[in-house]
Amino acid sequence: QKEVEQNSGPLSVPEGAIASLNCTYSDRGSQSFFWYRQYSGKSPELIMSIYSNGDKEDGRFTAQLNKASQYVSLLIRDSQPSDSATYLCAVGGDTGNQFYFGTGTSLTVIP
Amino acid sequence: DTGVSQDPRHKITKRGQNVTFRCDPISEHNRLYWYRQTLGQGPEFLTYFQNEAQLEKSRLLSDRFSAERPKGSFSTLEIQRTEQGDSAMYLCASSYGAVGPVEQYFGPGTRLTVT
Repeated sequence: QKEVEQNSGPLSVPEGAIASLNCTYSDRGSQSFFWYRQYSGKSPELIMSIYSNGDKEDGRFTAQLNKASQYVSLLIRDSQPSDSATYLCAVGGDTGNQFYFGTGTSLTVIP
Repeated sequence: DTGVSQDPRHKITKRGQNVTFRCDPISEHNRLYWYRQTLGQGPEFLTYFQNEAQLEKSRLLSDRFSAERPKGSFSTLEIQRTEQGDSAMYLCASSYGAVGPVEQYFGPGTRLTVT
C-alpha cells in the first residue's frame, strides 16, 4: 500500500507571509509528484507538477523535491486570503495510471 | 470552456437504487480516471481508461461498480444497489499521454447522497 502523508493542519499564516506545506511518501520508486488546491465543496485544481530533485518555480509557487528523503513540499510566497484552501499532495504510481493522494493540509491566510 | 465536465452535479438516491454518472473529458485527452472522495480524505482511485480500454481497477472497488468508456470519448460510472457508504464525491479526471505519469485535470465532481 503506497502511502502519502500530509499534516492535516490547519495551518494559519498572515497575509504576505510564506506558507510551507509538506508531504512524505512511502514508495521510494515514485517518480512523479503533483500539488493540487481544493476549495471547500469544489474539485481539486492542479497547481504544479515536479519530477526531478530540486526546486521548480511557477509564479508565487515553488515545489521542492528530495527523492532521497522521500519528501516533497510546496511554498507559497506572498500568501493571499484567496490561497485559503486544502492543498493535496499526489504521487504517481508505478504505472503512472493512478495517483495516490494525501489527506490534504488546510491552509488559512489571515488578512 | 473545454474542461472536464460531469453530470449530474448532485444526486440523491435511496438505498438499493442504481445510479449512473457521466464524464466528458477534455478534448483529445486519451486517459480518463475515476476517483471517489469522502469528507476529510484525499481522492481515492477507482478505475482508469486509456482510450476505450479499462486498464486498471482498484481492488477496493466492489462488483457493484462498473465503468465504461465507449469509443474512447465520454465515460459512465454505474453503481448498482447503492449503499449509504457509497455517499461521496465522485470525481473524473483526464490527461493526455502514452506512458508514464502526467498531470490529471479534474472535473467538478458528482456529489452522491444515499438515503
